[in-house]
Amino acid sequence: EVQLVESGGDLVQPGGSLRLSCTSSGFMFSSYSMNWVRQAPGKGLEWISYISHVGTTIYYADSVKGRFTISRDNAKNSLYLQMNSLRGEDTAVYYCAPRGTYFDSWGQGTLVTVSS
Amino acid sequence: EIVLTQSPGTLSLSPGERATLSCRASESVSSNLAWYQQKRGQAPRLLIYGASSRATGIPDRFSGSGSGTDFTLTITRLEPEDFAVYYCQQYGSSFRTFGQGTKVEIK
Repeated sequence: EVQLVESGGDLVQPGGSLRLSCTSSGFMFSSYSMNWVRQAPGKGLEWISYISHVGTTIYYADSVKGRFTISRDNAKNSLYLQMNSLRGEDTAVYYCAPRGTYFDSWGQGTLVTVSS
Repeated sequence: EIVLTQSPGTLSLSPGERATLSCRASESVSSNLAWYQQKRGQAPRLLIYGASSRATGIPDRFSGSGSGTDFTLTITRLEPEDFAVYYCQQYGSSFRTFGQGTKVEIK
């Protein structure tokens, strides 16, 4: 059974930084591309970043480009999202999702709140 | 960026009725389109991928159709557990995008 556990969400001030983690099990993590998707309170889903299975190809949505960095450690079956220069509009539940296409597995998400 | 526009924003129907949800892409995504269901407080659940293939465990009352820029999700007979928000998502571009969602509510 695929399991994805996101962690690291917290309350942070505007301009601050946070690092999210996603720990996976139940599938061959090193063979799968991974993504981060977020959902602001009461809003829709927003894809924000993709990383290929070996980490050589990376994409970001314009809304986070230059502020967020996606990375992975295949030895630890883990995905990361380093978030810098956080803004109020970054407040959301952040999900990790495998595959480079559609997303057939989701974790429970981790809540990031950006507020003073 | 490929923009996905879903309509209607809200669909008010009764259990047993048929639901038809639309998703239009700003440019062709071929058949690289998925549909998700999300209930309050839960993560999304994949329903359809490849525009028309049902994901594992999805009942056959859910069906998807379309290609290019126009797509449809049909729920033939609404069950009480089907009242939720539905999103389409394209993967025809390296930059994935979601539609804004359609809420299916009880009339």
